[in-house]
Amino acid sequence: DTGVSQDPRHKITKRGQNVTFRCDPISEHNRLYWYRQTLGQGPEFLTYFQNEAQLEKSRLLSDRFSAERPKGSFSTLEIQRTEQGDSAMYLCASSTSLGGFSEQYFGPGTRLTVT
Amino acid sequence: AQTVTQSQPEMSVQEAETVTLSCTYDTSENNYYLFWYKQPPSRQMILVIRQEAYKQQNATENRFSVNFQKAAKSFSLKISDSQLGDTAMYFCAFSMGTQFYFGTGTSLTVIP
Repeated sequence: DTGVSQDPRHKITKRGQNVTFRCDPISEHNRLYWYRQTLGQGPEFLTYFQNEAQLEKSRLLSDRFSAERPKGSFSTLEIQRTEQGDSAMYLCASSTSLGGFSEQYFGPGTRLTVT
Repeated sequence: AQTVTQSQPEMSVQEAETVTLSCTYDTSENNYYLFWYKQPPSRQMILVIRQEAYKQQNATENRFSVNFQKAAKSFSLKISDSQLGDTAMYFCAFSMGTQFYFGTGTSLTVIP
């Protein structure tokens, strides 16, 4: 397995457009997380899936943001009507809940620039 | 609410020397996990070391070790025999199982 992958790696969009990002976790991992990281800050939790169920959502996840994990494998994060404040690195991470606590493995991120 | 504070935005160390990165956190929970993650320039985050709060013994991983002071809510990272490849952002993180809380990071530069 090659680890967590994210696509695209970079996205430039104009304000008001919709964007969608994809995350492919490590295949045996049932937990998937989305984070947002802005310049000079650590990652901020957005949402968390266990299998296909979205179990936690941060208050940072406004109604313009939606995440899905339809078959419990890959996940998508969509941002509607993008704003300049959405410019950030969007990180995906995965882990397994089997055998107790497991570390999170991070993907390379998708850097979003809203012009 | 859980918060993680890293008070050193930038640090530098000479190659082969030892450096300590500081981290404090605030929580009312008793069972939790603490982590140090490394994020090299333009590369993805990787776990450096983790500590379970119920363990009194400080975690070590090769050249990396922690000083975990539960009462003081302090969790520092010591890097011994620093190498050029240690140059990266280092993030301290706290978790009670699912959600992770990260500090703002310390940018470490290892000087040849």
